[in-house]
Amino acid sequence: DAKTTQPPSMDCAEGRAANLPCNHSTISGNEYVYWYRQIHSQGPQYIIHGLKNNETNEMASLIITEDRKSSTLILPHATLRDTAVYYCIVRVASGYSTLTFGKGTMLLVSP
Amino acid sequence: ETGVTQTPRHLVMGMTNKKSLKCEQHLGHNAMYWYKQSAKKPLELMFVYNFKEQTENNSVPSRFSPECPNSSHLFLHLHTLQPEDSALYLCASSQDAQDINYGYTFGSGTRLTVV
Repeated sequence: DAKTTQPPSMDCAEGRAANLPCNHSTISGNEYVYWYRQIHSQGPQYIIHGLKNNETNEMASLIITEDRKSSTLILPHATLRDTAVYYCIVRVASGYSTLTFGKGTMLLVSP
Repeated sequence: ETGVTQTPRHLVMGMTNKKSLKCEQHLGHNAMYWYKQSAKKPLELMFVYNFKEQTENNSVPSRFSPECPNSSHLFLHLHTLQPEDSALYLCASSQDAQDINYGYTFGSGTRLTVV
């Protein structure tokens, strides 16, 4: 049973911001939101994660709504190398848990 | 280079062969994972080892046999595979399978083709 819902594909022009949405309406108070991406034929790469506050690192920003039912990953200035499948994952914050991947969003960045 | 190295990168094997996939990490992590990614399907978690102990086996057929001799090395022994086992096999590691604050670091995978 999918805990997250993402659009199957999105397009973005190079140099523009890419905003990738994720719905997680059944998220529990003790679940984090993680984002990974997978460039073709490579292993997934960790991007960012958060619980309820917005987060930013050198790769991206994560905006989580106040009710925590959705989030947006923002790549501020997309490049061609950002073309990849982006996965939004919810994961329990305590105890033993693993990453369960869905189908993700295929982001195509074009010149 | 992510710090997790998988060998070989590509493998073609017959259904009666026995082969092994190797994963090695020098990140000081204590948890290691095997994932399978079939064409156009999501990644599927196969096995989890935490501090060398197997903590998860997601109903994986016995023709796949994992081995974790120490926290830095993980193997996947393959025997009598079927063509539908052809996939990208990904290894990952993390600091501790019970610690949410750490993400996973993945290797580049082994592309397996069973003929």
